[in-house]
Amino acid sequence: GNSVTQMEGPVTLSEEAFLTINCTYTATGYPSLFWYVQYPGEGLQLLLKATKADDKGSNKGFEATYRKETTSFHLEKGSVQVSDSAVYFCALRTGANSKLTFGKGITLSVRP
Amino acid sequence: GAGVSQSPSNKVTEKGKDVELRCDPISGHTALYWYRQSLGQGLEFLIYFQGNSAPDKSGLPSDRFSAERTGGSVSTLTIQRTQQEDSAVYLCASSTRDRGSETQYFGPGTRLLVL
Repeated sequence: GNSVTQMEGPVTLSEEAFLTINCTYTATGYPSLFWYVQYPGEGLQLLLKATKADDKGSNKGFEATYRKETTSFHLEKGSVQVSDSAVYFCALRTGANSKLTFGKGITLSVRP
Repeated sequence: GAGVSQSPSNKVTEKGKDVELRCDPISGHTALYWYRQSLGQGLEFLIYFQGNSAPDKSGLPSDRFSAERTGGSVSTLTIQRTQQEDSAVYLCASSTRDRGSETQYFGPGTRLLVL
């Protein structure tokens, strides 16, 4: 079956630090990959996505590249801000209109 | 435009009672999903609707859980004889195609506490 593995958290960084959050997956077929973010007190929001190998998703300074050879979709940002403090979920979907399979999520706290 | 809405936002109930959770998807979205977010289990898929039919119910944890969708719009998730382990945030999402790739938009969730 499908599964998503995220690195253990929580992660605490200082403002302007470099961020990497690891995500690897196991899937049948050719999944689409997603990063969702949940800010404190808010609902899940799509941060970025990639639908095929070597695609790079980007949004709000975050980037992730779909690596088929390593089955990974690591999230990166060059300079984090306090406002990036949130819970980040990696997810995949196989097939149109099918369910998302999520990783366990990781809490990021950014200190001023 | 309006996003996915869910009601109630919070629900406290006693063990053994039935509860109904409501989801209003984005207008025109044909697909609707229910997920559950709990501390121990993370985000779990429950059920998926395409129109009024449910081609994937594989995530429903027991026969106490059921869901329906009427008119291709509003959906209700019902939990009968609630148990303490049902306490979680229940999330609804709806989707449309976006340049050939579906994007699921999530509601704010219903936080259920079973005492």
